[in-house]
Amino acid sequence: KAGVTQTPRYLIKTRGQQVTLSCSPISGHRSVSWYQQTPGQGLQFLFEYFSETQRNKGNFPGRFSGRQFSNSRSEMNVSTLELGDSALYLCASSFIQGSLEQYFGPGTRLTVT
Amino acid sequence: EDKVVQSPLSLVVHEGDTVTLNCSYEVTNFRSLLWYKQEKKAPTFLFMLTSSGIEKKSGRLSSILDKKELFSILNITATQTGDSAVYLCAPTTSGTYKYIFGTGTRLKVLA
Repeated sequence: KAGVTQTPRYLIKTRGQQVTLSCSPISGHRSVSWYQQTPGQGLQFLFEYFSETQRNKGNFPGRFSGRQFSNSRSEMNVSTLELGDSALYLCASSFIQGSLEQYFGPGTRLTVT
Repeated sequence: EDKVVQSPLSLVVHEGDTVTLNCSYEVTNFRSLLWYKQEKKAPTFLFMLTSSGIEKKSGRLSSILDKKELFSILNITATQTGDSAVYLCAPTTSGTYKYIFGTGTRLKVLA
């Protein structure tokens, strides 16, 4: 069974631009969660999508948004990028919403210059 | 505010040593606690703990939860260089099903 895939793996953007990251969950998994990982803050929860609806949201500004498609693939968008948005963005999939066992993708390394 | 503290922040040991990693938490509506190992990119699942005092074991790794004192420990015996990684703990909450990760303990095992 293929694991969680994320594209692109690496990305360099400049301040003020916007970016879209993609996550394909494990086949059959319907829940996708997004996390931001930085050296100082660790892994922080962004949001979770299940059945194309955002179910939970972390404490991030409105510049961070996402969506989920009918095939459970999810995208995350960050608008008006700031230097502090440089981070590793991880998505994790699970079979159902709120499942206690999540499987992480390899992440997208975003660098904002 | 939900809070997770892992200690130590980093640790350097030699192969064969035993290490104990700590995770203390304060979250509302605690549901369970998960441990992950992160080597390069994707964290990989190690344990899920929901009940106090019941040790979970997987090879040289074991973990236990104390819901009264609000902490968990992860033990690794006879460490190997392949155990070098960041170990993350994440309490989860019911209701909102949020995962709250600690900043992790960085373990380096020297040959």
